Amino acid sequence: AQTVTQSQPEMSVQEAETVTLSCTYDTSESDYYLFWYKQPPSRQMILVIRQEAYKQQNATENRFSVNFQKAAKSFSLKISDSQLGDAAMYFCAYRRGSGGSNYKLTFGKGTLLTVNP
Amino acid sequence: EPEVTQTPSHQVTQMGQEVILRCVPISNHLYFYWYRQILGQKVEFLVSFYNNEISEKSEIFDDQFSVERPDGSNFTLKIRSTKLEDSAMYFCASIRDGYYGYTFGSGTRLTVV
Repeated sequence: AQTVTQSQPEMSVQEAETVTLSCTYDTSESDYYLFWYKQPPSRQMILVIRQEAYKQQNATENRFSVNFQKAAKSFSLKISDSQLGDAAMYFCAYRRGSGGSNYKLTFGKGTLLTVNP
Repeated sequence: EPEVTQTPSHQVTQMGQEVILRCVPISNHLYFYWYRQILGQKVEFLVSFYNNEISEKSEIFDDQFSVERPDGSNFTLKIRSTKLEDSAMYFCASIRDGYYGYTFGSGTRLTVV
């Protein structure tokens, strides 16, 4: 079974600084997707960024980027120029690749990010 | 942008009562899911639904739970006899196929008293 581990229950960062959230995963599959979701106090699940395992290039979305190390099964999220609105719980998630009839997500336990003004 | 709609946003129910949580997935999506998040904990998979049948369910999804897509648009989660430990946020989600990402609903907060 796939597992996702987030070893940092809480992190804090100063506004405008950079922070990196860690995630490791375990799978025997070669085709999969990895995601970072943001959950603000409203508890809505907001997709931040996704990475296809077959792509060597790290995904980037504006201030958010990932460091995907496939051999090490590591998938960290870097937030640059942190803003107060980035404060939230961040979940790392794994999903098998295309093909088949089920694309369930497996989530880590989350990292609570605080942004200090 | 298309949305997954969940109703109600918050439901309070007495222990032992039946509840039905409703979801309207995106119309051209083919795979439907329910997830649960107990307050302060991680999001857990409950059940996946494809081609009008359950494709996978977790250990949490016991005989007290059922899902239905009765009319081709709604996707419901029924809890037959609620327990205190069923109190959680329940998320519905849908996906078109494996090449696309999930769309989550905004969740239903269920409180069992």
